[in-house]
Amino acid sequence: AQSVTQPDARVTVSEGASLQLRCKYSYFGTPYLFWYVQYPRQGLQLLLKYYPGDPVVQGVNGFEAEFSKSNSSFHLRKASVHWSDWAVYFCAVSGGGSALGRLHFGAGTQLIVIP
Amino acid sequence: DMKVTQMPRYLIKRMGENVLLECGQDMSHETMYWYRQDPGLGLQLIYISYDVDSNSEGDIPKGYRVSRKKREHFSLILDSAKTNQTSVYFCASSLSGGAYYAEQFFGPGTRLTVL
Repeated sequence: AQSVTQPDARVTVSEGASLQLRCKYSYFGTPYLFWYVQYPRQGLQLLLKYYPGDPVVQGVNGFEAEFSKSNSSFHLRKASVHWSDWAVYFCAVSGGGSALGRLHFGAGTQLIVIP
Repeated sequence: DMKVTQMPRYLIKRMGENVLLECGQDMSHETMYWYRQDPGLGLQLIYISYDVDSNSEGDIPKGYRVSRKKREHFSLILDSAKTNQTSVYFCASSLSGGAYYAEQFFGPGTRLTVL
């Protein structure tokens, strides 16, 4: 069955520092992977998505993610964090078979940005 | 303007009362979803609707039912609400639920408290 693990419930970084949020997935076959962001009191918004091809995917607001089949990972990165990036980040994998199109979400990582 | 709307945004009910959560979208998307979000659990799929009167259970359907009589509108119903249904509920839509890579668009959420 498909699943996603985000091992860090909370990450704290200084403004201007680089960022990596970790995501590990479990999926039989080639996965379709997503990163969503949830700003306070809002719904989720898509940051980027991966489907088979270039392992490095570019997203909005300077975010990128790298897919690794050998490590079953899809980590999110940003070179320089801004205070406005304070949010919860969710990694998700798209299901197949009878669950086609369904997203399985990780528990989320709260990003805290300190000045 | 592509949008998913949810009403109400906040709701307080007593245990045993019926609850109706409404969701609308203006993108003519075929597929719509209801999720609940609880701390540490990410988003869990309650129901998915592939089109009018074509609904399927998600991962946690017990205690919920849905109704979709128009493509742009999807309702979540709690008959005799329970305190453990206190949560934040999100509606989402996508152009095609049959595609691995279909982006889901999320509403702002409804915060439900059952006393």
